[in-house]
Amino acid sequence: RKEVEQDPGPFNVPEGATVAFNCTYSNSASQSFFWYRQDCRKEPKLLMSVYSSGNEDGRFTAQLNRASQYISLLIRDSKLSDSATYLCVVNRVTSYDKVIFGPGTSLSVIP
Amino acid sequence: EAGVAQSPRYKIIEKRQSVAFWCNPISGHATLYWYQQILGQGPKLLIQFQNNGVVDDSQLPKDRFSAERLKGVDSTLKIQPAKLEDSAVYLCASEGANTEAFFGQGTRLTVV
Repeated sequence: RKEVEQDPGPFNVPEGATVAFNCTYSNSASQSFFWYRQDCRKEPKLLMSVYSSGNEDGRFTAQLNRASQYISLLIRDSKLSDSATYLCVVNRVTSYDKVIFGPGTSLSVIP
Repeated sequence: EAGVAQSPRYKIIEKRQSVAFWCNPISGHATLYWYQQILGQGPKLLIQFQNNGVVDDSQLPKDRFSAERLKGVDSTLKIQPAKLEDSAVYLCASEGANTEAFFGQGTRLTVV
C-alpha cells in the first residue's frame, strides 16, 4: 500500500460545480499536510496547508481528520482555471522532514 | 525572490548514454530535493539533502543514479547509463526553515 493515496480521477466537472478530492495517509506519525496544484507541464506549487481545525481560502476548503488519517479538498464554484492536477502532500518528521507526494487527482472544468 | 533554477529544460539522449541535471536552489534554503515524475504520476523522491549531507536516498537507483550537493548550495543529478524507463521530468525543490517546498520548472528527459 502506498503511503499517500488519492482518488484516482480524472474528474470532469462543469463550471460552477462543487468538487471534492480525498486523500488518505498510512503513517500515523505524519505531522503536516498540504495540497499542491500542478498545471500541465508545469511544476507543483503550494495551494494551501491543511490544519487540524480546517481552513478556507476563498473557494477552497481543506480539512484534516487525524483519527481517520484522511485529508480533503473542496472546491466550490469551479472555474475553468481550476483545471489542474491536485497533489496531496504529507510531511513526516523523523530525524528530518520526509515529504511524500500522493499520485495526484486530475481535474478538468468544462464550459 | 529568485526561484529554483534548473537546467537544461529539455534533454533527449539515447539509452546507455549519460546525462546530468543541475539545480540552483533558493538562497538560504538548507533542504534540497530531487524528484522523478513519470507522466500521469505524482513526484517520487529520489534524494534529499540537508545542507551538503544526504538524509534520504532510499529510492535512488544507486547503480545508475548519483547526486551531489557540493558546498550545500547547487546540486547535480547524474544518470549513467540511462534506460528507456528513466524518461520523466526531474524536479528539483528547495525548502527553508518554516517554508513550503518550492519547485524548479524541471528537466524533461526523453531516452530513446
